[in-house]
Amino acid sequence: AQKVTQAQTEISVVEKEDVTLDCVYETRDTTYYLFWYKQPPSGELVFLIRRNSFDEQNEISGRYSWNFQKSTSSFNFTITASQVVDSAVYFCALSVNTGTASKLTFGTGTRLQVTL
Amino acid sequence: KAGVTQTPRYLIKTRGQQVTLSCSPISGHRSVSWYQQTPGQGLQFLFEYFSETQRNKGNFPGRFSGRQFSNSRSEMNVSTLELGDSALYLCASSKGVGLEHNEQFFGPGTRLTVL
Repeated sequence: AQKVTQAQTEISVVEKEDVTLDCVYETRDTTYYLFWYKQPPSGELVFLIRRNSFDEQNEISGRYSWNFQKSTSSFNFTITASQVVDSAVYFCALSVNTGTASKLTFGTGTRLQVTL
Repeated sequence: KAGVTQTPRYLIKTRGQQVTLSCSPISGHRSVSWYQQTPGQGLQFLFEYFSETQRNKGNFPGRFSGRQFSNSRSEMNVSTLELGDSALYLCASSKGVGLEHNEQFFGPGTRLTVL
């Protein structure tokens, strides 16, 4: 079975601080994908990134960066110079190879509060 | 390009009633998945449809069902509603099935309240 753990329930930072959201996953599959989604108060899940298990290169997109380490089964997400608009719940998710399905297993989410 | 749309956005029902939620995927996307989000259980997978066939099902009772039409639009139905069915129901669409097509884009959700 697959499992995603986001140990940080809630994080509060002051604007312009850097913040890292942790994600640890469990799977016996060698082929899998990892995701991060953002859920603002409106409720819609916004896709941020997808990374496959064979690509351990770190990714940077503007103020966002992701660190994927298979050795520790972690896929951490860092926001640099956080802004109030970054306030949201962030979910890490895992999808494994089931042949014909695309089921996502989500973590419990980390609520990020960015204040002025 | 229009995103995933879900109707209705809000719904209030009473115990014992049934409800049907609708989801229209992104144009060109053929796979639709449904998720239930509650404060207690978080985000849980309900089922996935592709080419009008259910490809995968989560651990939910038979009161939860769905279907997909030839235009890829999907509906989910919950019969004999219980208080615990109150949740945000999210629909996601992707181009196809399998890992290479598993980039899922979510709709705004339908918030169901059962009284």
